[in-house]
Amino acid sequence: EVHLVQSGAEVKKPGESLKISCKASGYNFNTYWIGWVRQMPGKGLEWMDIIYPGDSDTRYNPPFQGQVTISADKSITTAYLHWSSLQASDSAMYYCARCSGSGNSCYYFDHWGQGTLVTVSS
Amino acid sequence: DIQMTQSPSTLSASVGDRVTITCQASQDITNYLNWYQQKPGRPPKLLIFHASNLETGVPSRFSGSGSGTLFTFTISSLQPEDIATYYCHQFDNLPFTFGQGTKLEI
Repeated sequence: EVHLVQSGAEVKKPGESLKISCKASGYNFNTYWIGWVRQMPGKGLEWMDIIYPGDSDTRYNPPFQGQVTISADKSITTAYLHWSSLQASDSAMYYCARCSGSGNSCYYFDHWGQGTLVTVSS
Repeated sequence: DIQMTQSPSTLSASVGDRVTITCQASQDITNYLNWYQQKPGRPPKLLIFHASNLETGVPSRFSGSGSGTLFTFTISSLQPEDIATYYCHQFDNLPFTFGQGTKLEI
């Protein structure tokens, strides 16, 4: 059974760095894209980025390019989302999700983590 | 970016009703569209992929149709547990984009 387990809620100050994680199990981590989706309080879903752990190929949604970094550690089947300098506007719920499709394509997010709430406040 | 416009934004219905949500894409996305359900405090759940394919384990009262720029999501007989927000999602082109959501109320 596929499971994505995310790290716990974080409270940070503006300017601090942060890395949240998503531990995957129950499938071949190397052969599925995995990505992050942001949901700001009371708002809709925004796709941020995806990574193919097999070769570390990455794709970013332009508003998030340069603001966050997606990475993956194949040895522990874990994906990460990293901020080098948080802003108050980064306060949101962040979901990781496995992306499936034909071959090694990314078409639909079929399994989701439980979410990590990030609060950035001085 | 491809814009996805859902309507309505909010929908009030009764148990047993047939419910329909529409999603319009700003350009032709063939059938590269998915539908998700999100209940309060929960992550989204995939219901329909490639416009009309029911995800494993999803009740058959949920269905999707459409192609090109206009897509429809239908609940044939609304159940109390269907209270949620529903999102469409296009994967024809990067960046992936979601509709703004349709909040379903009973």
